[in-house]
Amino acid sequence: AQSVTQLGSHVSVSEGALVLLRCNYSSSVPPYLFWYVQYPNQGLQLLLKYTSAATLVKGINGFEAEFKKSETSFHLTKPSAHMSDAAEYFCAVTIRNQAGTALIFGKGTTLSVSS
Amino acid sequence: EAGVAQSPRYKIIEKRQSVAFWCNPISGHATLYWYQQILGQGPKLLIQFQNNGVVDDSQLPKDRFSAERLKGVDSTLKIQPAKLEDSAVYLCASSHRDRASYEQYFGPGTRLTVT
Repeated sequence: AQSVTQLGSHVSVSEGALVLLRCNYSSSVPPYLFWYVQYPNQGLQLLLKYTSAATLVKGINGFEAEFKKSETSFHLTKPSAHMSDAAEYFCAVTIRNQAGTALIFGKGTTLSVSS
Repeated sequence: EAGVAQSPRYKIIEKRQSVAFWCNPISGHATLYWYQQILGQGPKLLIQFQNNGVVDDSQLPKDRFSAERLKGVDSTLKIQPAKLEDSAVYLCASSHRDRASYEQYFGPGTRLTVT
């Protein structure tokens, strides 16, 4: 069965510092991986996705993630944090099977950015 | 294009009462999902529709939850009777196709509080 583990429920950085949010997955078949962001009282917005093309994926708002099969990881990074990056971030995995294509989410990581 | 619409945005009910949520997906999206997001956790799939047919409802508590998508467009999710543990945000998402690589677009959610 597929699963996602996000290491660290809360990450705090200073404005301008590197952002690193960790995600490890478990899947018996090649996965599709996603990072979503959720701002307070809003739905989830896609940041980026890995669908078996390039292993380094660039997304919106300066975020990127690298798929590492050997480490079963898909960590999210941003070189320089901005105050507006403060939000909840979710890593998710999905595969195509007979039951459908639902996303399996991690528990989320809250990113705080201080000035 | 218009996003996924959900209503109501907030609902407070007492336990054992019934409640219904409505979702209108992005025009032309054949696949519709309902997720439950309990505070501090990632969203969890309740049910997936492909047009007006159910693809996956394995995690839907069928003794109290029901959902329909009669004309293959908008959808309703009902809880009857509600329990305290049903307090959560209910997210609706839609996707153009039932493929794992396709992005799911999320609505703003309905926050349910059961007292």
